[in-house]
Amino acid sequence: DQQVKQNSPSLSVQEGRISILNCDYTNSMFDYFLWYKKYPAEGPTFLISISSIKDKNEDGRFTVFLNKSAKHLSLHIVPSQPGDSAVYFCAASDSNYQLIWGAGTKLIIKP
Amino acid sequence: DAGVIQSPRHEVTEMGQEVTLRCKPISGHDYLFWYRQTMMRGLELLIYFNNNVPIDDSGMPEDRFSAKMPNASFSTLKIQPSEPRDSAVYFCASSRGSHYEQYFGPGTRLTVT
Repeated sequence: DQQVKQNSPSLSVQEGRISILNCDYTNSMFDYFLWYKKYPAEGPTFLISISSIKDKNEDGRFTVFLNKSAKHLSLHIVPSQPGDSAVYFCAASDSNYQLIWGAGTKLIIKP
Repeated sequence: DAGVIQSPRHEVTEMGQEVTLRCKPISGHDYLFWYRQTMMRGLELLIYFNNNVPIDDSGMPEDRFSAKMPNASFSTLKIQPSEPRDSAVYFCASSRGSHYEQYFGPGTRLTVT
């Protein structure tokens, strides 16, 4: 049973445009959400997070939006840069404070 | 800080052999996590420690897997005996004060033939 779903295995975006990565979850008890970025042959790197009491968190080019009623969050990257090409993982924290991970979305930024 | 250090980076072994993966967390971090990543199952939490004490090992797939953390700066994940289905990338991660912002090592790619 996948509690955190990233339904798009890959996404291709033109450099300079907006990248939107989506994540859906099923557990209404999740109260903290995170996005990680992973380059090949490296471990995931923390990118940005959001608490369930907020609906938006912004950090530079990265913004995470949370829609609790839809159990949906998204990561916006604007403008997209070639260095943003990576696999992006969505993760959610459950009542045991463990992270439940999505399968990841591979983002490709085209020059 | 050097970040989370894992060794070896690559391990190729034959079925039935014992495999030991090593991890040095970031100094000052009190949580340590072992993950396994496969194409089929994605990133799975195997076990985590808080202040060197194993808290939840429900993700450990079988008794063939064991993990220890003898001190705050070292942890091992052992597979004995190894099987081809154990082939995966194993990540160690550490964090301070919570499970949230975890810092990952580069991973160990294990191949069991």
